[in-house]
Amino acid sequence: AQSVTQLDSHVSVSEGTPVLLRCNYSSSYSPSLFWYVQHPNKGLQLLLKYTSAATLVKGINGFEAEFKKSETSFHLTKPSAHMSDAAEYFCVVRQEYGNKLVFGAGTILRVKS
Amino acid sequence: NAGVTQTPKFQVLKTGQSMTLQCAQDMNHNSMYWYRQDPGMGLRLIYYSASEGTTDKGEVPNGYNVSRLNKREFSLRLESAAPSQTSVYFCASRSLAGGSYEQYFGPGTRLTVT
Repeated sequence: AQSVTQLDSHVSVSEGTPVLLRCNYSSSYSPSLFWYVQHPNKGLQLLLKYTSAATLVKGINGFEAEFKKSETSFHLTKPSAHMSDAAEYFCVVRQEYGNKLVFGAGTILRVKS
Repeated sequence: NAGVTQTPKFQVLKTGQSMTLQCAQDMNHNSMYWYRQDPGMGLRLIYYSASEGTTDKGEVPNGYNVSRLNKREFSLRLESAAPSQTSVYFCASRSLAGGSYEQYFGPGTRLTVT
């Protein structure tokens, strides 16, 4: 069965410094992977998705993620954090059969001024 | 387009009470989903409806029922609420066109059961 592991439950960075949120996946096939963001008291918004095209995926708000099959990773990065990036981020994999998504536990990003 | 809408936004229930959470989407999507979100556990799928007229259990269906009323609407019912059902509930929808798998989420319903 497909699964994702988000390696950090909390990440704290200073404004203007790089962001790295780590995600490893488990899948027996070439997966579809996603990053969603949830700002406080809001719903989830799609940041970016990987669906077996380019391995470097660019998303909204300057975020990008790189699919690395050899490392089974799909880490989310941003060169320079902004205060508005403070939120919870979810790494998500599509189940091989059916229309379902499997969510990681989430990483809370804190941005310090 | 409003996207995915949910009502109510907040609800407090006493143990044993029942209620229905409403969800509607105006994107002509085929599939709809109900999730619950608990701290440190991500989102867990309660029920889903792959298309109008079908519903299936997800990961945590116990204590819930659903109705796919039409293509737009998908409701979640708690027949006898329990404190363990205190959570934030999200509805989502997905189009089957073009092999796209991303889901679009509503703003959530915060439910407290006392």
